Amino acid sequence: EPEVTQTPSHQVTQMGQEVILRCVPISNHLYFYWYRQILGQKVEFLVSFYNNEISEKSEIFDDQFSVERPDGSNFTLKIRSTKLEDSAMYFCASSGFENTEAFFGQGTRLTVV
Amino acid sequence: GQQVMQIPQYQHVQEGEDFTTYCNSSTTLSNIQWYKQRPGGHPVFLIQLVKSGEVKKQKRLTFQFGEAKKNSSLHITATQTTDVGTYFCAGRTAGGGNKLTFGTGTQLKVEL
Repeated sequence: EPEVTQTPSHQVTQMGQEVILRCVPISNHLYFYWYRQILGQKVEFLVSFYNNEISEKSEIFDDQFSVERPDGSNFTLKIRSTKLEDSAMYFCASSGFENTEAFFGQGTRLTVV
Repeated sequence: GQQVMQIPQYQHVQEGEDFTTYCNSSTTLSNIQWYKQRPGGHPVFLIQLVKSGEVKKQKRLTFQFGEAKKNSSLHITATQTTDVGTYFCAGRTAGGGNKLTFGTGTQLKVEL
């Protein structure tokens, strides 16, 4: 069964450092997303990406965040200068069509120290 | 901004008992989805409801979308230990693009 894969599974970084979280969405999907979940809390939308551009972003997705689809398979989330409050599980998701189910990856646990 | 609340926040049941979680949106939704997240896992899609008043069933799970398309519920009949996890509703609004706004979640624990 096709799945969304994310690497690394766990990333520890020092405050102020840049991190890149990587995702390989399901191959024929067109819509890509990043969500985050602070431990024990709800899943929060960060950004959606379609047709090689950001289609929506939340208030959380400020200038410190960026996304890229550098080739036909990878979808990355970059945090330019990490803060302690960026510590969370980051989920990548993809969907094949508009308004359909989202398939989530296993997540990357980001710990900022 | 749009808010999606769920009650209860936690529910402990004995195996075999029924369980219901309720989802309420501050705005009218174009559709609503339900996801299950096992402890330490990622959200897994369960179902999508689109029509006002829609009811869908998956084995022991019954999903309902309210007439006003602002609320939804998930009912599990005769819970099993495999039902343990957090259940999230997630809604989309008309004109709100493709993003999902997740509810606050209901954590279900099932005891033998």
